[in-house]
Amino acid sequence: AQKVTQAQTEISVVEKEDVTLDCVYETRDTTYYLFWYKQPPSGELVFLIRRNSFDEQNEISGRYSWNFQKSTSSFNFTITASQVVDSAVYFCVHSGYSTLTFGKGTMLLVSP
Amino acid sequence: NAGVTQTPKFRVLKTGQSMTLLCAQDMNHEYMYWYRQDPGMGLRLIHYSVGEGTTAKGEVPDGYNVSRLKKQNFLLGLESAAPSQTSVYFCASRTLSGYTGELFFGEGSRLTVL
Repeated sequence: AQKVTQAQTEISVVEKEDVTLDCVYETRDTTYYLFWYKQPPSGELVFLIRRNSFDEQNEISGRYSWNFQKSTSSFNFTITASQVVDSAVYFCVHSGYSTLTFGKGTMLLVSP
Repeated sequence: NAGVTQTPKFRVLKTGQSMTLLCAQDMNHEYMYWYRQDPGMGLRLIHYSVGEGTTAKGEVPDGYNVSRLKKQNFLLGLESAAPSQTSVYFCASRTLSGYTGELFFGEGSRLTVL
């Protein structure tokens, strides 16, 4: 069975600080995808990024960047120059062929 | 586009009552899922369906039943509600693309069992 561990339950930063959210996964699948979702205080779940198990290139999208390292089974997410609007719960997700397994989430609190 | 719609959005039940949550998607997606979200637990998979007429158990299926009689609808039933089923329930769908498709979520249904 797949398992996703987000060891950081809650992180508090001050606006403009950089912050990294850690994600470690366990899987027996040889092919899989990893996702990050954001859940702001309003409650909806917002898709952020998808990465397949064969693509270890880092990705940057604006202030967001992702570092996938298959050798350490990690898929970490960095927010550069954090903003108050980044305050949310962030979920790392493993996708097998049929099912998706969520980590327990990291709550990020960005204060002004 | 409506996307994924869940009804009802809120419901309060007494222990032992039954109810059905309806999930409807208009994206012609094959795969549909029911998750529950509890504080500090992330989202846990209850049941899922890989196509019309098929269902399968997820991580926490006990106390729930599902049906997928039409491709666009996925129903989650509680036959005899218990306080432990107080939660926020999310329905999601994805395309028939194996690993790759991201989940499209409904807005959630908050259920309280007294």
